[in-house]
Amino acid sequence: ETGVTQTPRHLVMGMTNKKSLKCEQHLGHNAMYWYKQSAKKPLELMFVYNFKEQTENNSVPSRFSPECPNSSHLFLHLHTLQPEDSALYLCASSQVLNRDSSGELFFGEGSRLTVL
Amino acid sequence: AQSVAQPEDQVNVAEGNPLTVKCTYSVSGNPYLFWYVQYPNRGLQFLLKYITGDNLVKGSYGFEAEFNKSQTSFHLKKPSALVSDSALYFCAVRGSNDYKLSFGAGTTVT
Repeated sequence: ETGVTQTPRHLVMGMTNKKSLKCEQHLGHNAMYWYKQSAKKPLELMFVYNFKEQTENNSVPSRFSPECPNSSHLFLHLHTLQPEDSALYLCASSQVLNRDSSGELFFGEGSRLTVL
Repeated sequence: AQSVAQPEDQVNVAEGNPLTVKCTYSVSGNPYLFWYVQYPNRGLQFLLKYITGDNLVKGSYGFEAEFNKSQTSFHLKKPSALVSDSALYFCAVRGSNDYKLSFGAGTTVT
């Protein structure tokens, strides 16, 4: 148990569906992240939120829409996805990264997404 | 720009033998270095980190890593590998002047 909980663990959706991934952290952190992990590819940082404000959007297509209502919750809204979006989506949290924080990330177990 | 290289996609080791997973990095400023492990269909688990101080860092599950500033390396080591150590290992780095963590491509240990 890492203190970061992701739901659902598995999701299958069609290209016209709308679904959401949820992440909740119980570590008192102020930064939250979405990463995409595809087979045979490096981890891709998608979004970063610090104190509920989005500070990084790594050129992610608009069919992925993040939402961070507070420092403990992070959502990834999905709509009109493509089969190549099938991947493991990882949520992580940390203290806000600055010169005084070491900044290790704590990851959830991931949401395995399959787009048909 | 910062970057991490894990030169080996795969490392095979017999149980009981020493295990080494290699990592080199490039950052501006002082490096903050991390190792994570990922078991199948699971998230990444933090193993250990180097921020400052002793170059040999000890972490979870008997792992340790050695920071070498001159070679810009942070290799992960375990004196005696177990079958249960089979997993995907990621090295990560950020510079003291940066606010993002950069991950290597990962090394599969079998």
